[in-house]
This record gives sequence, structure tokens and C-alpha cells, in this order.
Amino acid sequence: GENVEQHPSTLSVQEGDSAVIKCTYSDSASNYFPWYKQELGKRPQLIIDIRSNVGEKKDQRIAVTLNKTAKHFSLHITETQPEDSAVYFCAASETPNDMRFGAGTRLTVKP
Amino acid sequence: EAGVAQSPRYKIIEKRQSVAFWCNPISGHATLYWYQQILGQGPKLLIQFQNNGVVDDSQLPKDRFSAERLKGVDSTLKIQPAKLEDSAVYLCASSDRAYNEQFFGPGTRLTVL
Repeated sequence: GENVEQHPSTLSVQEGDSAVIKCTYSDSASNYFPWYKQELGKRPQLIIDIRSNVGEKKDQRIAVTLNKTAKHFSLHITETQPEDSAVYFCAASETPNDMRFGAGTRLTVKP
Repeated sequence: EAGVAQSPRYKIIEKRQSVAFWCNPISGHATLYWYQQILGQGPKLLIQFQNNGVVDDSQLPKDRFSAERLKGVDSTLKIQPAKLEDSAVYLCASSDRAYNEQFFGPGTRLTVL
């Protein structure tokens, strides 16, 4: 089955700086890669996703890049704000029923 | 649009007791997922339903966990008997079809003493 590794486990940045979180996956057949944000005590919420036929996707301050050859994908947050502080999870799946999540990255944005 | 509803929000039980969780997905969503999220880890898929049929339950500990979605809408997840290592947040999610965004419920935090 799919194995997703995520790093770093914790990330601290100054407000206004950029943050990058990276994930690697093992199954080359995986073709759907969502990113979720989970604030403390709240439910995970999808912030962006990318499919394997696209190399990059951007939504305002958030972007995701995918390198299928190297089997890794990354989340980029620019101009970070304190409200970006949360745990971010990547995930990968080949079929609808084998979504695998990474262990999460706790992002802290210092004012 | 109402979100995914779950109850109870919190549950504390002793080991070897039984517990059940309930989930009501977003109206019209055919796909329903149950996840287990242990503190400090990502969600782990336990079971996926498509309407009232099980698509995948390969990671469900079937000796103690069971789930059903009898009418293709609400779902229940049961643990019997519970173990200490079952302490986690149990998340329910739904999507209108696979590969589309999964909407998560608030979760049920289970503590097994």
C-alpha cells in the first residue's frame, strides 16, 4: 500500500516569511494529492489539491507542486500570517479507497 | 449547506466496555469514510462506504470494530471491547464521489481508561 512521509514535523516562521512542507510517497500509481489544514481541536479542512496531470497549482498565497518522477509534492505558503498556524497534512491516493495521510507538520507563525 | 455531523463529541469509557459513534454525512454525499486519528498522527482510514456498501475495510480491526451504513445515509462505528490503544479522535468524512473533496465532521474524542 501507499506510504506517505511528511517533513518537517514542526516548522516555525516569522510573519511574512514563506513556509514549505514536503511529502514523499511510495506508490508511483498515486494520482491525487490533497493538503488539509487542521487547527487545534478542529476538523481537517481541504486547502488545496493537485492531480497527477498537473505539475503546479496555485490559490492566492498557497501553492502545491508535484514531481511525479521523484514522487514528492510540496506545499508552499507565502506571506504567512498568524492565522496560518495549524497542523498541515498531506495525503496521496491511487484509488478512491486508499487515501494515506502523512504524519502532519505543526506550523507556527510568529507575529 | 449543513456539514457532517457526529455524536457524541466526547466519550470516556473503561477498557473492555463497548462504545458506538454516529455520523450523518452531508446530504447527497454517497461516499462516507471513518478515520482514526491518534494524537500527533495523521488520520488513518478505517472504512469507506459507497452508498450502503463497503468499498474498503482493510485497515479496520474486525475482531473489535464494526461499522454499518444501512440506508446509505447515516453510519455507526462500534468498538467492542475497547482497548487502551483505541484512545483517539474518530473522524467521519463524506464526499459526493471518490476523488472529490472530503468534508470532515468535528470528530469524537474517545478516551479509554
